[in-house]
Amino acid sequence: DADVTQTPRNRITKTGKRIMLECSQTKGHDRMYWYRQDPGLGLRLIYYSFDVKDINKGEISDGYSVSRQAQAKFSLSLESAIPNQTALYFCATSGQGAYEQYFGPGTRLTVT
Amino acid sequence: GNSVTQMEGPVTLSEEAFLTINCTYTATGYPSLFWYVQYPGEGLQLLLKATKADDKGSNKGFEATYRKETTSFHLEKGSVQVSDSAVYFCALSDGGGSNYKLTFGKGTLLTVNP
Repeated sequence: DADVTQTPRNRITKTGKRIMLECSQTKGHDRMYWYRQDPGLGLRLIYYSFDVKDINKGEISDGYSVSRQAQAKFSLSLESAIPNQTALYFCATSGQGAYEQYFGPGTRLTVT
Repeated sequence: GNSVTQMEGPVTLSEEAFLTINCTYTATGYPSLFWYVQYPGEGLQLLLKATKADDKGSNKGFEATYRKETTSFHLEKGSVQVSDSAVYFCALSDGGGSNYKLTFGKGTLLTVNP
C-alpha cells in the first residue's frame, strides 16, 4: 500500500462549488504539505503543517483553506472554486529533522 | 528569498546518450539540494540529494555534485534509457530554524527515444 494517499484522484467541478481534497499518510511523519502544479510553473506551496496545531500559509494560499484532522490526515478545501484553480494538487510529508519530502500520487482538479 | 533555476525543456535524447540538466540556486545560509523525478501519471519521487558543499548525490546511475562556488547542482547520467523519460525537478531546502519547506525549479521534461 502507498505511504501517502490522496482522494479523489480526479475531480471535475463547477465554478462556485465547494470541494475538499484529502490526504492520508502511514509514514508517521509530523509534517504535511499541499502543493499545486501548473505546466511551466513547477510546484508551488499552498499550506503546510508541522503538527496538528501548527498550520501555516504558503506562497499561494488565497482561495484555499486546510484542516489537519490528525497527525495522519491533512485536507485542502476550495471554498468557492474558480477556473484558475484547475491544476494538479499534491500532498507531501516529511519527518522531523529531515529535509526530503514524500509525495502522494496527486489529484487532478478541473473547474469548469 | 530562495530560488531555483533549471534549464528549460523539453530535452529529447536517444537511448544511451549522455544527459545533463543544469540547475543553479539562490539561497541564504547553507541549503540542502535535491533532484526529484516525476514519471507520467505519478507523484514526485526523491532521486538524489546532497546536504553540504562538495557532496555528490547518486542513485540509479544519476549523479549531481553540490558546487557552492558556482551555486549549482547539475544532474548527469552517462547513458539514458527509455525508462528515464520523466519530468525532473531541482529543489532546495534551507532548513533555517524549523523551516523545512522546499523551493522547486519549474521542471525539465526529458524524453528518451529508442
